[in-house]
Amino acid sequence: QVQLVQSGAEVRKPGSSVKVSCKASGGTLSGSGISWVRQAPGQGLEWVGLIIPIFGTINYAQNFQGRVTLTADESTNTVYMELSSLRSDDTAVYFCARAFYDSRDYYYMDVWGQGTTVAVSS
Amino acid sequence: DIQMTQSPSSLSASVGDKVTITCRASQTISSYLNWYQHKPGKAPKLLIYVASNLQSGVPSRFSGSGSGTHFTLTITSLQPEDFATYYCQQSYTTPWTFGQGTKVEIK
Repeated sequence: QVQLVQSGAEVRKPGSSVKVSCKASGGTLSGSGISWVRQAPGQGLEWVGLIIPIFGTINYAQNFQGRVTLTADESTNTVYMELSSLRSDDTAVYFCARAFYDSRDYYYMDVWGQGTTVAVSS
Repeated sequence: DIQMTQSPSSLSASVGDKVTITCRASQTISSYLNWYQHKPGKAPKLLIYVASNLQSGVPSRFSGSGSGTHFTLTITSLQPEDFATYYCQQSYTTPWTFGQGTKVEIK
């Protein structure tokens, strides 16, 4: 069964960038996508974006357009999320999740990483 | 973007109660609707996919129904481990969107 393991907590200053990794172990990312979701303190879940390497598909939420970049290294089964121009309100736990899709193109996030805390503070 | 609206935002219930959470989409999403359970300090957990399909390993007291714009998550006989926040999420089109969450608390 595939597991997703994320990189460790990060502390950044406003205006800087952060890059979080999500590595699949016990399986590959082949044939599935990886979605990123965040939860700011006291807030709900917020979708950040989706990458499906096999299709070359990348989609971002409007709130992050121009600041977020999702990339995949299929040789190491690792997906990266880079967020730039960080602000204090980017402080959150960032989760990666496998975006599984079936033959009818239904997508759902069935396997999740453990989460990575990103704190943005001067 | 498709807006997802859950109700109620929170509820108090006792062990053994039946709980129903509603999720409405701002436009039709067919059955592209998933439900997640989220506990503090943990990763979200998929409960129901494609509106009514129980994810493997999820207890049968959880069920989902609906299509189009109106969906429900039902928990029959609430258990102590079910106290958590529940989110609906549409995957009909990007950007994927979540409801604001429903916090289920102990009465």
